[in-house]
Amino acid sequence: QTVVTQEPSLTVSPGGAVTLTCASSTGTVTSGYFPNWFQQKPGQAPRPLIYSTSNKHSWTPARFSGSLLGGKAALTLSGVQPEDEADYYCLLYYAGGRLVFGGGTKLTVL
Amino acid sequence: QVQLQESGPGLVKPSETLSLTCAVSGYSISSGFHWGWIRQPPRKGLEWIGSIHHSGSTNHNPSLKSRVTISVDTSKNHFSLKLSSVTAADTAVYYCARVLTNTVDYWGQGTLVTVSA
Repeated sequence: QTVVTQEPSLTVSPGGAVTLTCASSTGTVTSGYFPNWFQQKPGQAPRPLIYSTSNKHSWTPARFSGSLLGGKAALTLSGVQPEDEADYYCLLYYAGGRLVFGGGTKLTVL
Repeated sequence: QVQLQESGPGLVKPSETLSLTCAVSGYSISSGFHWGWIRQPPRKGLEWIGSIHHSGSTNHNPSLKSRVTISVDTSKNHFSLKLSSVTAADTAVYYCARVLTNTVDYWGQGTLVTVSA
């Protein structure tokens, strides 16, 4: 069974920067996994932020960026705002049209 | 603007079949893309259930495949999920979404389904 792993929780200060990562149990994450990142706040549906590693949706704030880092997919927030406190999920695409979500990272802005 | 709306019973008895429908507006399912289901148990993470193309071809999460049926009705512009032999572990918020080859871009608001006698 394929497992996608994220940090369970991270804390960042307002105005600071933080990087969340997304690893695959199958090995190095490449652009071929089309890494996606979603933000979810309590009681809301996930909101897409990043697709295909580093592409932003039209509604994605500029302070969010995606990349590949050390064999993982990464989401970096720069100039963190209080409203960025949320759960963040990565999503990877596997062969056969199979999608696997990471376990999520709870980001606290403190 | 693409919008998706889940509907179906909020309470299902154990061993019975969970049935949900996702109505799509602002986009014709027949125009392409896959249409999928994702769930989230209370206080837990997201789990992809499966998706369907307007042609009828499907992809499923291997862990659920034997219990999942996803179908599409292009005349009504909606697609459906059936999950058989449910247990309390299937209690979750169920989301429908549009699945592209490189992203999942539009989501429904989600519907809570509780499995309980």
